[in-house]
Amino acid sequence: DTAVSQTPKYLVTQMGNDKSIKCEQNLGHDTMYWYKQDSKKFLKIMFSYNNKELIINETVPNRFSPKSPDKAHLNLHINSLELGDSAVYFCASSQGTGAEEGYTFGSGTRLTVV
Amino acid sequence: GNSVTQMEGPVTLSEEAFLTINCTYTATGYPSLFWYVQYPGEGLQLLLKATKADDKGSNKGFEATYRKETTSFHLEKGSVQVSDSAVYFCALSKSGGSYIPTFGRGTSLIVHP
Repeated sequence: DTAVSQTPKYLVTQMGNDKSIKCEQNLGHDTMYWYKQDSKKFLKIMFSYNNKELIINETVPNRFSPKSPDKAHLNLHINSLELGDSAVYFCASSQGTGAEEGYTFGSGTRLTVV
Repeated sequence: GNSVTQMEGPVTLSEEAFLTINCTYTATGYPSLFWYVQYPGEGLQLLLKATKADDKGSNKGFEATYRKETTSFHLEKGSVQVSDSAVYFCALSKSGGSYIPTFGRGTSLIVHP
């Protein structure tokens, strides 16, 4: 069973469109994250939810809106897509801050905006 | 604030060579330290961890020792294989406080046959 699953794996879309990425974890973790990885492999944290409550909201355009319907799911909706949004987006989860067991990552969603 | 500094890559080695990837950190208190590996086209996977000073994490022939006196957590492997080619990330996290995990910028390892 996949621990952290993201869909879709690939997403190609035109500028100006709205798209969503879904994430689910079956580990029973209480904290979930969205990361953006650029072409140089730099990981930037975007959002984090703990028990459905938003606890980290880094400097991200408000075109990006996360939603956590329950603690096993964290979705990311992006409005008015721009060329600079092209990247790989990773979902991750942890128990608490992750200090004991670390983080479990999904396999990523490669977003290409054309 | 917390930070992690890794050596820049790429690190290019021949098969069976010795590997060291340096990682130093800045943090108050006693963070937990991790190494993650990212194979091409995949997500990050936890490679090893150490949660207190002088702990040694190990997995798949890789080792790293939590050195508080030098604030370091260098990754080592005695004999690398072509299949070890990947990007390696050093990271830290703290309990009972900020939920913002801190990752280094990643070090690419390329192993030639």
